[in-house]
Amino acid sequence: DAMVIQNPRYQVTQFGKPVTLSCSQTLNHNVMYWYQQKSSQAPKLLFHYYDKDFNNEADTPDNFQSRRPNTSFCFLDIRSPGLGDAAMYLCATSRDGGATYEQYFGPGTRLTVT
Amino acid sequence: QKEVEQNSGPLSVPEGAIASLNCTYSDRGSQSFFWYRQYSGKSPELIMFIYSNGDKEDGRFTAQLNKASQYVSLLIRDSQPSDSATYLCAVSGFKTIFGAGTRLFVKA
Repeated sequence: DAMVIQNPRYQVTQFGKPVTLSCSQTLNHNVMYWYQQKSSQAPKLLFHYYDKDFNNEADTPDNFQSRRPNTSFCFLDIRSPGLGDAAMYLCATSRDGGATYEQYFGPGTRLTVT
Repeated sequence: QKEVEQNSGPLSVPEGAIASLNCTYSDRGSQSFFWYRQYSGKSPELIMFIYSNGDKEDGRFTAQLNKASQYVSLLIRDSQPSDSATYLCAVSGFKTIFGAGTRLFVKA
């Protein structure tokens, strides 16, 4: 089945220790998104890739970086995690970037910062 | 004013009843509207999308859109305990904005 996969599902890291979250997709979608979601809040878009073009949100901290080495994979790097970065990180894909294209989410990675 | 607003709930309905979930948005240029279901600790799952004014039905779910009033709703008929979840409204124009969701609780 075509799907969006995230690894790991749970990640514990220490304050200030870099961490990388992984997302892969078998949908062959052009667009990949990274969201941060805290409890009882809306998913907050951090950035997205349209093919190889990176689009950062204006309010995304520099601490968050992303890489998309190929169509299937996308990574979220948190260079120096703080306690406030503990959240669910959601990867999503859409076939294209227009407003009419729905997004499909992976299962998420729950990040804990100690 | 938030760009996409939803009542946080919880909305509690008895099993078999109709659950009505509402969402308002601020961008009049919005073109597409999506409803996602999110179980606790899980990721959002797409339920329905609607582009045009009026109603769109899919099984027990009906999405309703009124662009003039900047209002979109989701009706769940014959609600089941398994429908208990948070329902996120997403509005898409230049980019997609999510609401914080409404928690629905269906009592058996």
